[in-house]
Amino acid sequence: GAVVSQHPSRVICKSGTSVKIECRSLDFQATTMFWYRQFPKQSLMLMATSNEGSKATYEQGVEKDKFLINHASLTLSTLTVTSAHPEDSSFYICSVEGNYGYTFGSGTRLTVV
Amino acid sequence: ELKVEQNPLFLSMQEGKNYTIYCNYSTTSDRLYWYRQDPGKSLESLFVLLSNGAVKQEGRLMASLDTKARLSTLHITAAVHDLSATYFCAVDIRFGNEKLTFGTGTRLTIIP
Repeated sequence: GAVVSQHPSRVICKSGTSVKIECRSLDFQATTMFWYRQFPKQSLMLMATSNEGSKATYEQGVEKDKFLINHASLTLSTLTVTSAHPEDSSFYICSVEGNYGYTFGSGTRLTVV
Repeated sequence: ELKVEQNPLFLSMQEGKNYTIYCNYSTTSDRLYWYRQDPGKSLESLFVLLSNGAVKQEGRLMASLDTKARLSTLHITAAVHDLSATYFCAVDIRFGNEKLTFGTGTRLTIIP
């Protein structure tokens, strides 16, 4: 399957600041990447589908102005959490669909203080 | 709207015992996946099930798929402590809206 690198693994930021998370597909040209959010002891919820060269598709209830997604190349998608608040603290995971299924990044633990 | 339910949500079992985790989904699906997640970590792929009657095994884990019943099972044989983790099933619908929908997860604890 695809090899996916996600960075950073952990980030602590102050309320009101923005945080950018990167997801790289290292060996697969990904026209589509997926961003998930996971709260403690809960399942993964799809936030948005990132489309290379076009706008992301957001799931219902996800604020597109708050969670900015950019997919400028076939190997890189970024998720920017703007004006972060403590309730945005969560585990964010990206995913790439390769030839043999989905591969997930290592995740980013965001803590907003 | 696709719904994916797992049961049980929590499972505590002794080493050496057998048990089954169930995954029900609400609409026709093309693929079903099983993943493992350790605390603080991302997902590790276990199985991909592509067709009705598919059965896959890896070590002490075996997964099966019944598309008519919209049911997948993950069977654990002679559990060992290393299998303690949270297990998720996920369903993939591919007609114009490809994305994974995850089950609620089953937190498995193996007691020595």
